Amino acid sequence: ILNVEQSPQSLHVQEGDSTNFTCSFPSSNFYALHWYRWETAKSPEALFVMTLNGDEKKKGRISATLNTKEGYSYLYIKGSQPEDSATYLCAFTLAGNTGKLIFGQGTTLQVKP
Amino acid sequence: NAGVTQTPKFRILKIGQSMTLQCTQDMNHNYMYWYRQDPGMGLKLIYYSVGAGITDKGEVPNGYNVSRSTTEDFPLRLELAAPSQTSVYFCASSPRQGSNSPLHFGNGTRLTVT
Repeated sequence: ILNVEQSPQSLHVQEGDSTNFTCSFPSSNFYALHWYRWETAKSPEALFVMTLNGDEKKKGRISATLNTKEGYSYLYIKGSQPEDSATYLCAFTLAGNTGKLIFGQGTTLQVKP
Repeated sequence: NAGVTQTPKFRILKIGQSMTLQCTQDMNHNYMYWYRQDPGMGLKLIYYSVGAGITDKGEVPNGYNVSRSTTEDFPLRLELAAPSQTSVYFCASSPRQGSNSPLHFGNGTRLTVT
């Protein structure tokens, strides 16, 4: 059973705060780790796909890091804005079964003006 | 370019009825997925397909069936609807490279079973 855990489950911050959250996944037979941003009443949108240990990716004020040896990824948001309010999902897949993409339960971020 | 198209957007079913949720993509993607959104649980994988003629079970396949006769289409069938199947269903696709590429999601189908 593939188990992908995200923490915290929810987060409330003030505009301008920087924040980060965690995705934990099985460290053996790793293939790829995805991050998605999911706004209410919309479909999830891809932020990053990461495959290499030590990988770091950045898109604007959002960045992510990957540690495949210990099985975790961090997502960072610098200077949070109200429009960053969304649920952030990570998803994981194993080598040898690259079709099966399993999601965590998500971290819901609320940024107060 | 329409991307991933799901129909219908909304549907109300009575217990025991059947229906098919349609999903089609025009990006020539080999990989297609069906997920359901449960509150507080993120997205749960129902079925997935790595190409035409190939399907496999995900985390929560019971009560559902799929087929993949063409690259473009990946319908999800509910044979005997149950209240536990009340959910929002998302179809997604990704290119030939599979899990190394991000998913493209449809707009979802909101299903209520009463």
